[in-house]
Amino acid sequence: QVQLVQSGAEVKKPGASVKVSCKASGYTFTSYNINWVRQAPGQGLEWMGWLSAHNGNTNYAQKLQGRVTMTTDTSTSTAYMELRSLRSDDTAVYYCARALPGYYDILTGYFQYYFEYWGQGTLVTVSS
Amino acid sequence: DIQMTQSPSTLSASVGERVTITCRASQSISSWLAWYQQKPGKAPKLLISKASSLESGVPSRFSGSGSETEFTLTISGLQPDDFATYYCQQYNSYPYTFGQGTKLEIK
Repeated sequence: QVQLVQSGAEVKKPGASVKVSCKASGYTFTSYNINWVRQAPGQGLEWMGWLSAHNGNTNYAQKLQGRVTMTTDTSTSTAYMELRSLRSDDTAVYYCARALPGYYDILTGYFQYYFEYWGQGTLVTVSS
Repeated sequence: DIQMTQSPSTLSASVGERVTITCRASQSISSWLAWYQQKPGKAPKLLISKASSLESGVPSRFSGSGSETEFTLTISGLQPDDFATYYCQQYNSYPYTFGQGTKLEIK
């Protein structure tokens, strides 16, 4: 069965970086995109970006551009999300999610995705 | 960015009741809308894609409808396992955005 298993909780100081991993199993890793979504305590869901496990292409949410990097290690079927220059409002549970293509957007040249399988989440706490 | 607004924010209902949650988009998203269920401390679970396509394994008491800017999620015959928070998500265009959530509580 499809599983996405994420790394454990992290506590970081403001200005530091964090790297969260998401190990996939139960399917061909390179056949699906991985998206990252975060959820601040008691709040809603915020999309952060996607990563093609096939070719490493990425598409990040504009508000995170310059601070986030998503990568893969296909040899271990693992996706990574690194967030730099952490602030207190980055405190959240971070989820990876395997994406399914909804449709091909001719205007952007990208597929548009929704999220079929999710990891269990990784709590990142940013505090001095 | 496309804003997604859900109503109500909280809904109290009893087992066996029929409930409806509304999701409105700030501009047309065709039918590119998904619904998720989230329980406390757990990851969201996909229920419906393309506004009305029920995912495999999701009980048939869940249904979705709508297009363009107005969408609904209906649960017919609430079961104890259905009390959770529900989110809509548009995947018409980047950045993907979610509604703020509707918490379904036991009356």
